[in-house]
Amino acid sequence: QSALTQPASVSGSPGQSITISCTATSSDVGSYNLVSWYQQHPGKAPKLMIYEVTRRPSGISSRFSGSKSGNTASLTISGLQAQDEADYYCYSYTISSTYVFGTGTKVFVL
Amino acid sequence: QVQLQESGPALVKPSETLSLTCTVSGGSIKTNYWSWIRQPPGKGLEWIGYIFYTGNTNYDPSLKSRVTISVDTPKNHLSLKLTSVTAADTAVYYCARYFESSGSLDYWGQGTLVTVSS
Repeated sequence: QSALTQPASVSGSPGQSITISCTATSSDVGSYNLVSWYQQHPGKAPKLMIYEVTRRPSGISSRFSGSKSGNTASLTISGLQAQDEADYYCYSYTISSTYVFGTGTKVFVL
Repeated sequence: QVQLQESGPALVKPSETLSLTCTVSGGSIKTNYWSWIRQPPGKGLEWIGYIFYTGNTNYDPSLKSRVTISVDTPKNHLSLKLTSVTAADTAVYYCARYFESSGSLDYWGQGTLVTVSS
């Protein structure tokens, strides 16, 4: 199965908003609301930021939000902060009843 | 608070079997699904598969012929076995709790680096 496609990098200045896209070649993302997003700082384990496309786990800042349109899911970070600089991965259930990660996006805070 | 800890050999020879254990604390292994994920150095995350304590499993198609995930309920841990390893299997291996209804991985271990080399 093919990984979900994400931009290699996205950058923004502190206080700005950025959006990371996650696109499936098949109807994986579009068919289910089982898309989640993970933040990973260097040398650390990934951390769940968004689940079920739009929902935030307890303790995750409201600056992080998720959405979906067709076969593309998106993660938006508003009010960008220095600590948001990290790698971000989407993750989705697939029509083959398995799971797949996105290719990953490195977020730079300028 | 659920905590997970991976353990196992850091070095495995090519063609041999990689074996890792993930010990779960702060909760019973019987109450959830559990997953293994890996990350080759400098690369992205790769889903390996998941298991429920009843033994129900699901694996990534590209690894299915070589991978086995199992649980030991008395010891409250899960295991990963990957046979016939090559250098391409060198990665940080993570275990995580898989919350089936939301399809998300909400608790992760710190990960353990396994290098395949002679």
